[in-house]
Formats: sequence, C-alpha cells, structure tokens
Amino acid sequence: GEDVEQSLFLSVREGDSSVINCTYTDSSSTYLYWYKQEPGAGLQLLTYIFSNMDMKQDQRLTVLLNKKDKHLSLRIADTQTGDSAIYFCAETLDYGGSQGNLIFGKGTKLSVKP
Amino acid sequence: DTEVIQTPKHLVMGMTNKKSLKCEQHMGHRAMYWYKQKAKKPPELMFVYSYEKLSINESVPSRFSPECPNSSLLNLHLHALQPEDSALYLCASSHGPRNYEQYFGPGTRLTVT
Repeated sequence: GEDVEQSLFLSVREGDSSVINCTYTDSSSTYLYWYKQEPGAGLQLLTYIFSNMDMKQDQRLTVLLNKKDKHLSLRIADTQTGDSAIYFCAETLDYGGSQGNLIFGKGTKLSVKP
Repeated sequence: DTEVIQTPKHLVMGMTNKKSLKCEQHMGHRAMYWYKQKAKKPPELMFVYSYEKLSINESVPSRFSPECPNSSLLNLHLHALQPEDSALYLCASSHGPRNYEQYFGPGTRLTVT
C-alpha cells in the first residue's frame, strides 16, 4: 500500500548539517518531494527528485534517493535558525504516465538551536 | 509569479453560518486543489479541479461545497460546519492535472465555534 514514514523530530545546532530521512513503500513512486512548512503558513516546495535519479543538489539542499531501500533523505548544509520548520516528505505514484495525488509523510519538525 | 493567494487568512464561524474561502492564482495553472490540515498532521486532499471541472472528491461531507468559477479562481463554500472541521485549509495549483509541482497558498485558518 501507500505509506510514507518520517521521524517526527530533529534538533541541530546552528551551522551544523541537518539530515531528514524518509522511507516509502510503493515501488511505483515516480516523484519524491520535500516540502517545508513554517508555523501558521502554507507548504513551500523545496525540491523534488525523479525516481531514476540518485542525487539532486540545489544550493544548501542535497537530496539522496536509494531506490533499492526506498529511502529518501534531505540534507541541509549550514543549518540556520530560519530553517526551523516542519519538513514533509511526499511521493506521487505513476498511473499509466500521469502522476497520482501527493501522499505525504507525517512531517519532521526541525528545531535549530543558536 | 508563483503565488497562490488565499482569503481570508483567518475565519471564525458558528455552526449555523454560511461562509466561503477563496483561492486565486495567475500562473495559468489548470489544476487546483483543496486540502485540509489539522494541527500536527500532514495535509489531506479534499477536492481536485482539472480544467475547471471537479475531478476528485475524496468523500468530503456535503457541508463543504467547492466551486471553480474560472481557471484562476477556486472557492470552498462552507455551511453547517462542526467544531471538528476547524483546521487550516490549503489551496494548491499545478500546471496540469496530476502534475508533479504543486504550489500551495498560505492557507485559511478556520475555527468553528
């Protein structure tokens, strides 16, 4: 079935790297996403990766995908207090060439201590 | 412009009231979505409009009534809500139906008293 799992909390010190992990169960996942949600705000699409890729880098963000283990991670380099938020992992499944709906994990709350 | 605009930002309504939430985008997207998000939970899909037609209704109670007057606007009409309907209501849009990049608005924080 469709399931996306994340750890609920992560705490890091400012300037350190943060690594947020996610696992998914459905092998027909085609796109995997990371969304950021700050308190009281909507979701911001940070980055996404197509399932035939292993890695994607965008400035301070690095996404790693291990398709064999169905494991996705988001690394934030030089974490800042402004990175404190909830990070949602999400997937869409392939339905004959079109994407299905977004399936979200429960979210990881990242706390950055000065 | 990658903005999805939602109004109002906050709404408090009684169980007998009728109110509407509004969503607007000017990115030329042809798919628009309503999500409901309870505290400390991920968003849950409610409705999908594709080319101004309702394509998905995730078994949402009839007290929630969506409307898509044109390709830029999406409304959610509310009537006879319950306190458990209090949540953050998020609108999103994407270039086409089932497209992989959904852009979310800031949400409307709804409280039902």
